[in-house]
Amino acid sequence: GAVVSQHPSWVICKSGTSVKIECRSLDFQATTMFWYRQFPKQSLMLMATSNEGSKATYEQGVEKDKFLINHASLTLSTLTVTSAHPEDSSFYICSASLAGGDGQLFFGEGSRLTVL
Amino acid sequence: DAKTTQPPSMDCAEGRAANLPCNHSTISGNEYVYWYRQIHSQGPQYIIHGLKNNETNEMASLIITEDRKSSTLILPHATLRDTAVYYCIVRVAGGNQGGKLIFGQGTELSVKP
Repeated sequence: GAVVSQHPSWVICKSGTSVKIECRSLDFQATTMFWYRQFPKQSLMLMATSNEGSKATYEQGVEKDKFLINHASLTLSTLTVTSAHPEDSSFYICSASLAGGDGQLFFGEGSRLTVL
Repeated sequence: DAKTTQPPSMDCAEGRAANLPCNHSTISGNEYVYWYRQIHSQGPQYIIHGLKNNETNEMASLIITEDRKSSTLILPHATLRDTAVYYCIVRVAGGNQGGKLIFGQGTELSVKP
């Protein structure tokens, strides 16, 4: 199946700094990517839908100025957590939809963010 | 909100079939049933999906009732490595984008020796 890669797989940062997480589709083009957040013992929560070449669509309650999403190419989307605080510590997961396919989503391995 | 209902947890003996139920009574005609699983601290893994016919692949079988209001994922010979949280999701598929994948709470399957 298609491969989606996230980087970094884990990151620790100080409160107030910004952190960028990359999501790449390695062997296919993805017109749409989705970003999720998952807290311990909870399910995945959709944060935003990222479409190549246009602004991301954020789910209700997700601050677009805090979670900046850029989808500049068909193989790369980035999520930047700005001015991170300890409550932003979470597991962030991206998924990509195969362009022209049957809409099956492929997920990255996830990126664990710890804000001190 | 998720459109599916699953039992929060299930146990299964190693080597036996694991049957995971899912209710999706409000499913629309153009929505598929998708199953994913998540092993601890990893990204979700695609298992199988279907519209109205039963489906089978190398990982599992998907049985969808005739009225499409419920389905069952079957792992024919569960192994310890199948211990994971299993998510049943309904979603519009097809086209260049497809619909959003909204996760419910899933079923935590524990396969025991």
